[in-house]
Amino acid sequence: DTAVSQTPKYLVTQMGNDKSIKCEQNLGHDTMYWYKQDSKKFLKIMFSYNNKELIINETVPNRFSPKSPDKAHLNLHINSLELGDSAVYFCATGNRADQPQHFGDGTRLSIL
Amino acid sequence: QKEVEQDPGPLSVPEGAIVSLNCTYSNSAFQYFMWYRQYSRKGPELLMYTYSSGNKEDGRFTAQVDKSSKYISLFIRDSQPSDSATYLCAMSRGGTSGSRLTFGEGTQLTVNP
Repeated sequence: DTAVSQTPKYLVTQMGNDKSIKCEQNLGHDTMYWYKQDSKKFLKIMFSYNNKELIINETVPNRFSPKSPDKAHLNLHINSLELGDSAVYFCATGNRADQPQHFGDGTRLSIL
Repeated sequence: QKEVEQDPGPLSVPEGAIVSLNCTYSNSAFQYFMWYRQYSRKGPELLMYTYSSGNKEDGRFTAQVDKSSKYISLFIRDSQPSDSATYLCAMSRGGTSGSRLTFGEGTQLTVNP
């Protein structure tokens, strides 16, 4: 039973489309995160939710909108996709701010 | 200047070698230090987690933190081909809004049989 699962694993779409990525965790953690990994493997924080409340919002275009319907789910909706959005998006969860985070296997987004 | 610097490699070693991976950082507010291993097409997997300066050992892996020098290391003893992966150092300040992880670029390691 996967602790942090993301869907879809792969997403190939045209520029200008709107798409959503979903994340679910069964670890009972309070905090969930979205990270973006670029083609050079550099991972950078995008958003964080704690108990459904947005607590971290990095300088990300407002085309990206996270939503947390409950503590176990965090979704990422992206409007008007651009070529530069091509990357791997990772969901992560953590139980306390001083505890390490656990990652899903990522969603590979390719924009044509 | 990046907050966390890590030599991206690639690093290639023979099986059985001792591997040393390093990161330096500039933000003295970082309190928590982690090493993650990432296999191709997979998510980062936590290897080691440390809070204070000093050493922490887990099997073939040893993590070192030197806060005075702002320097962390991961040593892998008796390296195996299955250790071939990208190794990412990560650190955080702690606190609810400081829980974000700041990563190094990752070092790509290949262990040759």
